[in-house]
Amino acid sequence: GNSVTQMEGPVTLSEEAFLTINCTYTATGYPSLFWYVQYPGEGLQLLLKATKADDKGSNKGFEATYRKETTSFHLEKGSVQVSDSAVYFCALSDPGSGGYQKVTFGTGTKLQVIP
Amino acid sequence: EPEVTQTPSHQVTQMGQEVILRCVPISNHLYFYWYRQILGQKVEFLVSFYNNEISEKSEIFDDQFSVERPDGSNFTLKIRSTKLEDSAMYFCASSEVIAGGEQFFGPGTRLTVL
Repeated sequence: GNSVTQMEGPVTLSEEAFLTINCTYTATGYPSLFWYVQYPGEGLQLLLKATKADDKGSNKGFEATYRKETTSFHLEKGSVQVSDSAVYFCALSDPGSGGYQKVTFGTGTKLQVIP
Repeated sequence: EPEVTQTPSHQVTQMGQEVILRCVPISNHLYFYWYRQILGQKVEFLVSFYNNEISEKSEIFDDQFSVERPDGSNFTLKIRSTKLEDSAMYFCASSEVIAGGEQFFGPGTRLTVL
């Protein structure tokens, strides 16, 4: 079946530090890949997505590249801000396994950025 | 900007009671979903709904669960007889297209079963 594995948190960084949150996946087909973010007290928001190999999703200074050869979709940001403190979820949607209609999530990584 | 809304934000109930969680999807979306997140665990798919019927459900979604679109705007999740292990955050989502498309999530309802 499908699965998503992401690095354990929490991750604590100083403002302006470089962020990497690792994510790898297992899928039977050719998935679309997503990063969702959950700010305190709020719902899940799509941060970025990539639908095919070598695509780079980007938004708000965050980037992730769809690497089919390593089945990875690592999230990066060059300079984090306090306002980036949130929980980040890596996820996939895989039509190949009949999973058109559901998103498979990782466990989430809590990021705390300190001034 | 259109958004998915959910009510209530927090529901406390006694074991064995029925609860109904409500969602208002984005108005032009056609596909609706429920997910849950037990505290400290993954967000898990429960069910998807299209054209007034369930299109896919997970093994979690047993006979105690049901979904309904009672009118043109609401989408509900009913748990007939709640168990302690149903305590979780429940997220509703909706999307325009199905394959690889973005699902828009609501803020969630925290269900606590005592």
